[in-house]
Amino acid sequence: EAQVTQNPRYLITVTGKKLTVTCSQNMNHEYMSWYRQDPGLGLRQIYYSMNVEVTDKGDVPEGYKVSRKEKRNFPLILESPSPNQTSLYFCASSFGGSEQPQHFGDGTRLSIL
Amino acid sequence: DAKTTQPTSMDCAEGRAANLPCNHSTISGNEYVYWYRQIHSQGPQYIIHGLKNNETNEMASLIITEDRKSSTLILPHATLRDTAVYYCIVRVALYGETSGSRLTFGEGTQLTVNP
Repeated sequence: EAQVTQNPRYLITVTGKKLTVTCSQNMNHEYMSWYRQDPGLGLRQIYYSMNVEVTDKGDVPEGYKVSRKEKRNFPLILESPSPNQTSLYFCASSFGGSEQPQHFGDGTRLSIL
Repeated sequence: DAKTTQPTSMDCAEGRAANLPCNHSTISGNEYVYWYRQIHSQGPQYIIHGLKNNETNEMASLIITEDRKSSTLILPHATLRDTAVYYCIVRVALYGETSGSRLTFGEGTQLTVNP
């Protein structure tokens, strides 16, 4: 089944404790991205990747890192999480090409205390 | 980026057609109109997209006006499972037609399908 898989789905942690949210897709997509969703602000893009070893900042990259060492994986890293990063996170992927629809994972709900 | 305007909420009776409008008066000639929906904090789900012509798939129909300044998503026979927030998005191409691009989500329309 074609899908985007995020792990973990839920995480409660404390300020400053490094964490990684994994994202994997099995559709051989070139393009992957991370979004966060907050009430009243909609979905905002954090980082995106056009292909392996090619990443760039989205609209709200501060406090986050990403890497794209393999085509299928695009982990989101919070080196020193803070409470303002408490949010619902989504990973998405698509084939290259501006008209290609994006496929989203089921989301990761992070709570930073 | 071209911005979109959607009603905050709409209601529809089960089994009837749901018509969701979207205004995108500043759309550029090479920008597509996309529709996604999100069911209660699940990942957004792609529905349909189009450039100029009307489009139809197994989920919905998309009607784009001739001047492309507005569009309507039609769910022909709404069911309770169609209750969701529907997002109309104009897609910005970052590097040209061979590259990916970001999606800018607004607040969308909360569609409630009633029994």
